Amino acid sequence: GQNIDQPTEMTATEGAIVQINCTYQTSGFNGLFWYQQHAGEAPTFLSYNVLDGLEEKGRFSSFLSRSKGYSYLLLKELQMKDSASYLCAVNLREDSWGKLQFGAGTQVVVTP
Amino acid sequence: DTAVSQTPKYLVTQMGNDKSIKCEQNLGHDTMYWYKQDSKKFLKIMFSYNNKELIINETVPNRFSPKSPDKAHLNLHINSLELGDSAVYFCASSHRGAQETQYFGPGTRLLVL
Repeated sequence: GQNIDQPTEMTATEGAIVQINCTYQTSGFNGLFWYQQHAGEAPTFLSYNVLDGLEEKGRFSSFLSRSKGYSYLLLKELQMKDSASYLCAVNLREDSWGKLQFGAGTQVVVTP
Repeated sequence: DTAVSQTPKYLVTQMGNDKSIKCEQNLGHDTMYWYKQDSKKFLKIMFSYNNKELIINETVPNRFSPKSPDKAHLNLHINSLELGDSAVYFCASSHRGAQETQYFGPGTRLLVL
């Protein structure tokens, strides 16, 4: 089977930093995505890692270690609008088409 | 200038009915997808098409039939609706394949009574 694990919920204060971990055990791997989903809305793309290391994009950074089957999404200077679900997704296939398998999502609650 | 659009946004229907959801993307992408997000918020791939050809067909009951009349459209027809079909259905597209960023439509909230 394919396993992608993330914490269910995290709470943090406005202005703080939160790190959302994602571990995966999958039969194939061709990159890992992070998506943000606000309640009642569509997922939107945040970041993509295919090689080991850190990708930084403004307040958001994502890290990947393929040997450890591990990624994290770091949210800095938290704002109230960052309250959302964060979905880790692994591309399982190395062919031209790929297939994303999503984790169950981590609900981040930002408090004043 | 919506990138990925779906209709309808809400769908309430009785068990046993047949319904369709339409999806259109104006991004010029080759690949389109249908996902189902259940009450526990798990987002699962159902189907994927590339330039009108089926490339992913997950273990989905054959009551679900996707149709892609052209590469900008991917519709989903559901026969004999069941209570368990109640979910949010998202359409998405990417330039070419799942290694590219996927852009999601607003979702169709289906409630089967």
